[in-house]
Amino acid sequence: QKEVEQDPGPLSVPEGAIVSLNCTYSNSAFQYFMWYRQYSRKGPELLMYTYSSGNKEDGRFTAQVDKSSKYISLFIRDSQPSDSATYLCAMGDSGGYQKVTFGIGTKLQVIP
Amino acid sequence: DADVTQTPRNRITKTGKRIMLECSQTKGHDRMYWYRQDPGLGLRLIYYSFDVKDINKGEISDGYSVSRQAQAKFSLSLESAIPNQTALYFCATSDLRGPGANVLTFGAGSRLTVL
Repeated sequence: QKEVEQDPGPLSVPEGAIVSLNCTYSNSAFQYFMWYRQYSRKGPELLMYTYSSGNKEDGRFTAQVDKSSKYISLFIRDSQPSDSATYLCAMGDSGGYQKVTFGIGTKLQVIP
Repeated sequence: DADVTQTPRNRITKTGKRIMLECSQTKGHDRMYWYRQDPGLGLRLIYYSFDVKDINKGEISDGYSVSRQAQAKFSLSLESAIPNQTALYFCATSDLRGPGANVLTFGAGSRLTVL
């Protein structure tokens, strides 16, 4: 079993839809939870960063972390064609190496 | 200029050739990483470095070597390239410790094709 599981999609939604992207994980040591966005032929860029459980909102984006269920989500409201990209979840611990583990990424297409 | 610069951006080479991918950063970060990304496999860590004197193997280091020439420079070498090393390679950086150690800044990627 992988430490981080993420459905690769692809996920196609109409413009304006609410998008829900999710990851599950198995390592209880993870305390830092990130979402990266990767456009085609580009490097991943940090989108959201959350420490421990709870919600964090930034504009149209909301990140949720439920450590009891080992489940994290990214919600995109009023999705736009410019949101079409691959979204990677990532998780880190606070150990000596502070390893970051990435999900495989979910490819999202927002159709105008 | 980009915070993390990778060269070359694209490279086509033949089996058995030696290839070097270079990475430089202006973030002032201590940690540097090399990942490869393959369809269906995601990002896999090849090597990482905490400083010039500290280099560590990642998940898939066989067939690769690295050199940390300075705090800002980290290069990846394929001594004898093989076709299954065809992939998109990313350099990344982060802080040494604390929450920032989990926040990676990536370069734009180097697409390598081995024929």
